[in-house]
Amino acid sequence: SYDLTQPPSVSVSPGQTASITCSGDKLGSKYATWYQQKPGQSPVLVIYQDTKRPSGIPERFSGSNSGNTATLTISGTQAMDEADYYCQAWDSNTVVFGGGTKVTVL
Amino acid sequence: QLQLQESGPGLVKPSETLSLTCTVSGGSISSSGYFWGWIRQPPGKGLEWIGSVLYSGNTYYNPSLGSRVTISADMSNNQFSLMLTSVTAADSAVYYCGRQFKVGQTGRWFDPWGQGTLVTVSS
Repeated sequence: SYDLTQPPSVSVSPGQTASITCSGDKLGSKYATWYQQKPGQSPVLVIYQDTKRPSGIPERFSGSNSGNTATLTISGTQAMDEADYYCQAWDSNTVVFGGGTKVTVL
Repeated sequence: QLQLQESGPGLVKPSETLSLTCTVSGGSISSSGYFWGWIRQPPGKGLEWIGSVLYSGNTYYNPSLGSRVTISADMSNNQFSLMLTSVTAADSAVYYCGRQFKVGQTGRWFDPWGQGTLVTVSS
């Protein structure tokens, strides 16, 4: 089965840049997706097809995907960005989620 | 604006069948380019994909759930449903439904998601 690996946690100071990685075999050959989930809420799509932002998602969220690693970058992180973030990909007719990364804004 | 709403029992006994329905409003499940999927999240844990269905009935399931899962679509009521048999406490989770985009060979993502419904497996 295909696995996606994320760091359990990332800490960032307000206004700084947070980078969340997602690693998987040849992930760069697939599209990566990112979701944000705040406590008690449903996940929200923040990046799809590696780099695209849905309407309503702030420009400070960006994505990249190359080789074996996809990265979600939050520039100028705000307190409201504190949440769990999940990467997701499609492999062999299966949806695969990463284990999630808790982003703490200190 | 497309909205999805999960419904079903919040409590299921061990060894019985979990049944949930997702009602879609603001759009049709027969729209081309989309699957409709179920995802679950045990309390305090990460997301797990259960499976997805096309309005025509084509399905994809998480292999880890084996033959316990069945997902079906009901175009007349604009709904799709999940059945999970022989449940145990490990199946206790918040269950979400979502619209799954299908683009090219690997473009698959969920947007939007329903609000989720907590299902507890307990006697």
